Amino acid sequence: EAGVAQSPRYKIIEKRQSVAFWCNPISGHATLYWYQQILGQGPKLLIQFQNNGVVDDSQLPKDRFSAERLKGVDSTLKIQPAKLEDSAVYLCASSIFWRDNNEQFFGPGTRLTVL
Amino acid sequence: ELKVEQNPLFLSMQEGKNYTIYCNYSTTSDRLYWYRQDPGKSLESLFVLLSNGAVKQEGRLMASLDTKARLSTLHITAAVHDLSATYFCAVDPFGNQFYFGTGTSLTVIP
Repeated sequence: EAGVAQSPRYKIIEKRQSVAFWCNPISGHATLYWYQQILGQGPKLLIQFQNNGVVDDSQLPKDRFSAERLKGVDSTLKIQPAKLEDSAVYLCASSIFWRDNNEQFFGPGTRLTVL
Repeated sequence: ELKVEQNPLFLSMQEGKNYTIYCNYSTTSDRLYWYRQDPGKSLESLFVLLSNGAVKQEGRLMASLDTKARLSTLHITAAVHDLSATYFCAVDPFGNQFYFGTGTSLTVIP
């Protein structure tokens, strides 16, 4: 079974530029998550989708971040314009709730450096 | 505000020794997950604990859950260098969202 795929793996941009990340979840997983992980910290949830609807985006900085999950499968996360403090690893995860188990499976992440 | 605290935050231990990492959380949850993260890598699932008293073991690691005390432990037996990593616990009290702990950075010294 293929895992969660993400691209690109690394991205370096200058502040005020825009950037987009792509995620393909595990087949059949209805729930998709985007996390931001700053060095030395735990993952912080940015947005959660159930199929193609948003469940929670309360911690998404909506003035600069946007995300979509068209057709309930792949998802993209965009930052425009980027700030220095956006330098982090962006993790995508997916899950399927089954018998009380909501285990999340994580992709390899995209390491973003904003100069 | 839901809090998930791990201690210690940093742990340096010698090979062959035993130690326990603690995960305390502030609200009722019957679901708790442990993950491992190697430097520069993503999170790898270690254990899924879904009920009070649940105990899971894999190799030198054993995880347990006490929902009444709101506490999970990750016990390391006879540590080896390969266990060096950061370990995260995550609670899922409502069945729809993870709340991650602060992480414990483990270094096993030969």
